[in-house]
Amino acid sequence: QQQVKQSPQSLIVQKGGISIINCAYENTAFDYFPWYQQFPGKGPALLIAIRPDVSEKKEGRFTISFNKSAKQFSLHIMDSQPGDSATYFCAARRGYGQNFVFGPGTRLSVLP
Amino acid sequence: EAQVTQNPRYLITVTGKKLTVTCSQNMNHEYMSWYRQDPGLGLRQIYYSMNVEVTDKGDVPEGYKVSRKEKRNFPLILESPSPNQTSLYFCASTQGQSDTQYFGPGTRLTVL
Repeated sequence: QQQVKQSPQSLIVQKGGISIINCAYENTAFDYFPWYQQFPGKGPALLIAIRPDVSEKKEGRFTISFNKSAKQFSLHIMDSQPGDSATYFCAARRGYGQNFVFGPGTRLSVLP
Repeated sequence: EAQVTQNPRYLITVTGKKLTVTCSQNMNHEYMSWYRQDPGLGLRQIYYSMNVEVTDKGDVPEGYKVSRKEKRNFPLILESPSPNQTSLYFCASTQGQSDTQYFGPGTRLTVL
């Protein structure tokens, strides 16, 4: 049972465009929502994260939008670059010391 | 250099032959965990540990064992591997109350 749903499975964007990846969850006890970026042959790396007490967090070209009532959060990549081509995972955690639950991942390709 | 290391990086074995994948971190992190990554399923947590001698099951613990005798090491043990344990495995560690997980480079395991 997928506790965190993620869409789309794959995404192709032109250079300079906006990439949007969406995630949804059911468990209202989740209190931390990170996004990870993974390049081929590498382990995932934390990209940006948000807690449910804020609706948006921005770091450079990356923004998380969080909708607590809808139990959804999304990653927006502005001015997408070929170097952003990677697999992106959303995740959620119930509290420190609790296990993390990941979405199935989105493979992003940014065309030059 | 702060890092999480895993060994071996690649392993091909046969059904029933016990194996251990080692994980070590040099950041003095309390929290460590093991994940498996399968296409379309994202990362699923196998086991995690909040500190020495404290371990807990993740979402897919069947067929795996772990131990945490030292803070820096968190080995993953497959007592009797089966083909359905063919996967890409990642170890990760987190400092104290921080939420940032640092992932190792991964171990690709094939069980014939």
